[in-house]
Order: sequence, then C-alpha cells, then structure tokens
Amino acid sequence: KAGVTQTPRYLIKTRGQQVTLSCSPISGHRSVSWYQQTPGQGLQFLFEYFSETQRNKGNFPGRFSGRQFSNSRSEMNVSTLELGDSALYLCASSSSTSGAGNTIYFGEGSWLTVV
Amino acid sequence: EDQVTQSPEALRLQEGESSSLNCSYTVSGLRGLFWYRQDPGKGPEFLFTLYSAGEEKEKERLKATLTKKESFLHITAPKPEDSATYLCAVQAKGGSYIPTFGRGTSLIVHP
Repeated sequence: KAGVTQTPRYLIKTRGQQVTLSCSPISGHRSVSWYQQTPGQGLQFLFEYFSETQRNKGNFPGRFSGRQFSNSRSEMNVSTLELGDSALYLCASSSSTSGAGNTIYFGEGSWLTVV
Repeated sequence: EDQVTQSPEALRLQEGESSSLNCSYTVSGLRGLFWYRQDPGKGPEFLFTLYSAGEEKEKERLKATLTKKESFLHITAPKPEDSATYLCAVQAKGGSYIPTFGRGTSLIVHP
C-alpha cells in the first residue's frame, strides 16, 4: 500500500512569490492535514481537510491556504512568501471519518527555502 | 489547552546502553497518544498508538508505556540506526481531535 506522497520534495522560491505544494494521501484516507515544521517552532498544525471541506484550521495567516479534491488529493498554497516561511511542510492522512482516535501518517515532506 | 512536554531534549547513548524517553501530557480526556520517529530531512514515521493507562506496545528494541499523566518510550540495547528524533503527540476527546505534538527528543547512539 503506497504511503502519503508529497511533491515537490525540494524547492527554492524568492520573497514575494507564491508556492503550491501537492499531497496524495494513502488510498482510502479521506482526511488530509498539513503541518509546518521548523527547528524553532517544532510541528505546527496548518489545516485539515475532509471530503473537500476545511474541517480544522491552525493559527496561521491567510497567506496560507489549501484545498482538497474529490479524489482526496490536497494542495496547499502560500502567497507572498516571506523568509520565515522557509520550513519543512508535511502532509498527513488519516482514515478517520470523525477525526477521532485514528493515527495520522505523514509524507516525506516538501522542503521550502525562501531567499 | 492540551500540552505535551518531552524530555530530555537530547540524549546521547552508547550502543547497548538502554534508556527511556519521557512524554508528559495534559489533556482533557485522552483519546490517543502517538509516538513517531523522524530521521533528518524526512517525515515522521509512525511507531505506536496507546489508548489507555496501563497499555504497552513493543516493536523490536522499542517499548511504549502509558500512564494517566505520561508515556515512556523505552529503548533496549540501542543501535546506531536508532538515532533519530522521537516525537510524541496526544489526541484529546471532544473538540477538533487534531493531535498536539511535543518538541521531540533527539537521540544519538554512538557505536
């Protein structure tokens, strides 16, 4: 069974640009969540999608957005990039239908460097 | 607010030297506690889920235990390939069910 797949793995962007990251969840998983990981802040929750609807949202500015498609694949977008957005962006999927008591499985992440 | 505190932040062991990592948590009703292993530059890899106090799970040299206030990840006779950051997360009953992660323990095992 294939795991969570994220693309691209590495990318470099310039301040002010925007970026789109893609995630394909484990087959059959309908919940997809996104996290930002930095050495200083650890793992921080961005948002979660279930059945194409944003179900939960973390404390990030509106520059960070996401969406989920009917096949459960998800994308996240960061507009007007800032140097502080440099991080490892992780996608995770879960089979949970109610968000309760289910393990989330992570992808390998997308390394974003903003210069 | 749910809180997860992992200690120590960093741990250096000699190969074969057993030890334990701690995860203390504060949550309004525990639905699940998760342990992950993360290698540098990679996403966290799932290890265990524990649901209730007294529960234990094992995988190779790793054993996770759970009480009402904390969880331990015991590493028996570690090898250099066990070097990684170990993350703990808790999921609370009610609310959004989004897990809260600790900052992790960085483990280095020297040959």
